[in-house]
Amino acid sequence: GQNIDQPTEMTATEGAIVQINCTYQTSGFNGLFWYQQHAGEAPTFLSYNVLDGLEEKGRFSSFLSRSKGYSYLLLKELQMKDSASYLCAVKDSNYQLIWGAGTKLIIKP
Amino acid sequence: GAVVSQHPSWVICKSGTSVKIECRSLDFQATTMFWYRQFPKQSLMLMATSNEGSKATYEQGVEKDKFLINHASLTLSTLTVTSAHPEDSSFYICSASLKAGGSYEQYFGPGTRLTVT
Repeated sequence: GQNIDQPTEMTATEGAIVQINCTYQTSGFNGLFWYQQHAGEAPTFLSYNVLDGLEEKGRFSSFLSRSKGYSYLLLKELQMKDSASYLCAVKDSNYQLIWGAGTKLIIKP
Repeated sequence: GAVVSQHPSWVICKSGTSVKIECRSLDFQATTMFWYRQFPKQSLMLMATSNEGSKATYEQGVEKDKFLINHASLTLSTLTVTSAHPEDSSFYICSASLKAGGSYEQYFGPGTRLTVT
């Protein structure tokens, strides 16, 4: 079967750095996405990785290792507004998005 | 760019009635639209994928006669929840993609919160 694993919940301090991991086992791979979802709102796109390596976009970076079936989302200089759920999703060989359950990130002052 | 709207943003209806939710891509033509359902504290659950002008493809366990999807144009898809019951109360989210596959991400609408009393 297809499976995406993320930690259920993480806590970090304002101003710090946090890394959210995602491991996947899918039938084929056509890219990995990270989305941010605030409570009661729809997801918003953060990043897309299809090749191995690190993609940096401001305070957010996303890393991919296809051989390990592993990705992480790195958030720097955490702000209170970063408190949200972070969803990892993988496009399989049929280009269907397989979603992880999401990681709830709690930022403390 | 790539804005997706949904209407209504929230709706309360009585058990047994039907509710229609609209999803529009405002500034692009979406070849594919997706409908998701999300229960509190749970991840997104894909209900169906629809391509303009063709029948929707429903995920396993989703009743196509209960959740009617129409994708009549490249900018509009509708989801009708027929004979709604309290267990259908959920957050319904649509998304639109420029292409069926490839690297194009899905652009999400703001969601519709449905409460069935």
